[in-house]
Amino acid sequence: KQEVTQIPAALSVPEGENLVLNCSFTDSAIYNLQWFRQDPGKGLTSLLLIQSSQREQTSGRLNASLDKSSGRSTLYIAASQPGDSATYLCAVNDYKLSFGAGTTVTVRA
Amino acid sequence: GAVVSQHPSRVICKSGTSVKIECRSLDFQATTMFWYRQFPKQSLMLMATSNEGSKATYEQGVEKDKFLINHASLTLSTLTVTSAHPEDSSFYICSAPTGGGYNEQFFGPGTRLTVL
Repeated sequence: KQEVTQIPAALSVPEGENLVLNCSFTDSAIYNLQWFRQDPGKGLTSLLLIQSSQREQTSGRLNASLDKSSGRSTLYIAASQPGDSATYLCAVNDYKLSFGAGTTVTVRA
Repeated sequence: GAVVSQHPSRVICKSGTSVKIECRSLDFQATTMFWYRQFPKQSLMLMATSNEGSKATYEQGVEKDKFLINHASLTLSTLTVTSAHPEDSSFYICSAPTGGGYNEQFFGPGTRLTVL
């Protein structure tokens, strides 16, 4: 059974600082990995999708890396803004998505 | 990205009643959809996989007779919580992948169910 862990559980940074969010998973037989953002009481917004054959994916200030062999992914958010405050979830796809518990980010103005 | 809608966004019902939640893919067809529930401050737990034209596949521990799933068309899946009880109160979210389960998944906005 796939186990997904996200560290840290919560993070508070001043505006402008770079964010580093970590995700680890136990079974490397995955098709892809997705990073999501969830605002309180809302659904999930897909941020980045990394295929199992890829090592990196970028979108604007977001960059996600994937090391499938070691079961790790990292989401980098450059120059954080208060609007980045949310819970970030990673999910690994082996046909079904298995989610981590999330990292709740607070960016202080 | 692709758009998935859910209706209703919020529902309050009395214990013992049944509640239907709809999940629609608005700009793509989805032969497969997924239903999750999320408890406060916890992550999403997969409940079942909804398959167009066939029976849903339920995760271990999820009661099939309690959570009825129907995938009536390529754009609509419904989740019916039958004889709802307060412990069924939760946030229910659906997702649909574009082009099959291995592809990027898009999520609906969720339905907040409160059973009194």
